[in-house]
Amino acid sequence: GESVGLHLPTLSVQEGDNSIINCAYSNSASDYFIWYKQESGKGPQFIIDIRSNMDKRQGQRVTVLLNKTVKHLSLQIAATQPGDSAVYFCAENWGNDMRFGAGTRLTVKP
Amino acid sequence: NAGVMQNPRHLVRRRGQEARLRCSPMKGHSHVYWYRQLPEEGLKFMVYLQKENIIDESGMPKERFSAEFPKEGPSILRIQQVVRGDSAAYFCASSPVTGGAGTEAFFGQGTRLTVV
Repeated sequence: GESVGLHLPTLSVQEGDNSIINCAYSNSASDYFIWYKQESGKGPQFIIDIRSNMDKRQGQRVTVLLNKTVKHLSLQIAATQPGDSAVYFCAENWGNDMRFGAGTRLTVKP
Repeated sequence: NAGVMQNPRHLVRRRGQEARLRCSPMKGHSHVYWYRQLPEEGLKFMVYLQKENIIDESGMPKERFSAEFPKEGPSILRIQQVVRGDSAAYFCASSPVTGGAGTEAFFGQGTRLTVV
């Protein structure tokens, strides 16, 4: 399944399935993007980043895709596990700081 | 190497009181960012500071809110005369270089402010 990250929508997937979380960013001048994971009661944790000179970057079980033409970022999680349940935020650099999207809540069903 | 340390973790204030939130960045980091998060919402940028300088405070309310990052000691986010609408989680992040240069910012665990 996939979801657009506005107003904290929820994405529910079955354990073992792949997840796709989408994000639309706003600054065409942004050249650096990060996906963060936030578990309940905790601060955001870095997952993966990508620079604007790339369109794809892979980590362990995660892949980030960047489409600069439509200002779109996605996070793919392979073989989703219960521990992946959290809120996921994309962030773009904005001048001197990072600006965050509204986030998507991922729920993994056993 | 300790991460970003925020204290207190939870803070309860009555309306009209002052709230002081502290953030000690990671060792070697000289850039601090403060964000505010309401329940079920994203993080909203408030202010970006370097040692002894406010670089960007475009996300800070014009009244009652102030931030500092002195040469020695933690960064402080200060909210005067708190109102119920100030209740939120406040997160601090630090990085060794500016976000514009493209580097990861590390977050603290946040301070949850409740105004009663």
